[in-house]
Amino acid sequence: EIVLTQSPGTLSLSPGERATLSCRASQSVSSNYLAWYQQKPGQAPRLLIYAASGRATGIPDRFSGSGSGTDFTLTISRLEPEDFAVYYCQQYGSSPLTFGGGTKVEIK
Amino acid sequence: QVQLQQSGPGLVKPSQTLSLTCAISGDSVSSNSAAWNWIRQSPSRGLEWLGRTYYRSKWYNDYAVSVKSRITINPDTSKNQFSLQLNSVTPEDTAVYYCTRDAGWLIDYWGQGTLVTVSS
Repeated sequence: EIVLTQSPGTLSLSPGERATLSCRASQSVSSNYLAWYQQKPGQAPRLLIYAASGRATGIPDRFSGSGSGTDFTLTISRLEPEDFAVYYCQQYGSSPLTFGGGTKVEIK
Repeated sequence: QVQLQQSGPGLVKPSQTLSLTCAISGDSVSSNSAAWNWIRQSPSRGLEWLGRTYYRSKWYNDYAVSVKSRITINPDTSKNQFSLQLNSVTPEDTAVYYCTRDAGWLIDYWGQGTLVTVSS
């Protein structure tokens, strides 16, 4: 199975700053089928990005995804107060589906 | 808009069976383009995919190796829902359980989550 490693574990930033989150796969993700999710306390994860760079419906354009193969990045161009949350990457190019351990974006 | 509504007990005794149900609205459990999954989340194991059921002219199931001997996911076409049964539970099965939809393996809709605690 593909192991996804996210870094950093925690990112301490201020509103308005840029956030860069990394996700590295133990082997190449087929067809770059890599998704990003946002999770807030007490809520289910919400799909942000699919296929490495496609924005899901209703997701603001300050969220962008990039990368291919084994290295992927989620960028939040200017953090809004509602963006402080935990972010997970997930690969869906091969079975079983696997998730990264998450990056917490917290207010500095 | 697809909505998934979970139901089931929040407390299960060790060695017993965990049972949860997920009612679907806005789509069909028999859809030829979707699949219906269970995923759990715990501090120790993170987000863990458990398995799925889907219909492509006939019913199929895929299960994670870690739970394959203990898990059953069944569709119920009469009620447009699907269920999870996990046998012989231990405290390590304590987690928040989510039902989800995937389209081409991409998870796009999630249920509200159910915290299941395994304790006597």
